[in-house]
Amino acid sequence: DGGITQSPKYLFRKEGQNVTLSCEQNLNHDAMYWYRQDPGQGLRLIYYSQIVNDFQKGDIAEGYSVSREKKESFPLTVTSAQKNPTAFYLCASSIFRLTGYLLGANVLTFGAGSRLTVL
Amino acid sequence: DQQVKQNSPSLSVQEGRISILNCDYTNSMFDYFLWYKKYPAEGPTFLISISSIKDKNEDGRFTVFLNKSAKHLSLHIVPSQPGDSAVYFCAASFKTHTNAGKSTFGDGTTLTVKP
Repeated sequence: DGGITQSPKYLFRKEGQNVTLSCEQNLNHDAMYWYRQDPGQGLRLIYYSQIVNDFQKGDIAEGYSVSREKKESFPLTVTSAQKNPTAFYLCASSIFRLTGYLLGANVLTFGAGSRLTVL
Repeated sequence: DQQVKQNSPSLSVQEGRISILNCDYTNSMFDYFLWYKKYPAEGPTFLISISSIKDKNEDGRFTVFLNKSAKHLSLHIVPSQPGDSAVYFCAASFKTHTNAGKSTFGDGTTLTVKP
């Protein structure tokens, strides 16, 4: 079955440490996204990538970094510069076409999420 | 400024009755709206969507209504079932190729359907 795999599901980090969250998809989607969810709040966009070797900042990119070396993979690094990293992190993907709107491109498929706790 | 608002953090309904979840938005440029359902410790799953050129979209027990002049949309679930108990997120986006996947989400409404 096609889907998005995020790992680890739970992660504990000491202050000052960088951590990397993995996101792999086998949906053949071109676009991938990282969202953050805090308790009682909606999802906020951290970074997104629409093609390999290219990515853009979302609304809350400070303290995070990403790479997109392969179509299937979009890892997120939470750096020590992120002031409040404890949150639930969600990776998502969607179809995308470089030229012109594609019906269905608005629909995101999400992974199961990774919960990061800073000790 | 929060562009997508779900003003009811929670909603409780009896099994078999109608559930109505509401969502308001401020950006009139949004032209595509989605509802996602989320269970605890899982990622959201897509439920239903509507384009701004429509005012209603129906899929089985789920119907989404859009009132563009009021910048308001609602999700109706009829009849409600205990398995519908989850957090429901409203999301808004654009029908352009560069922005289609960049949804703006509301804070969610927790629906509890009592047997």
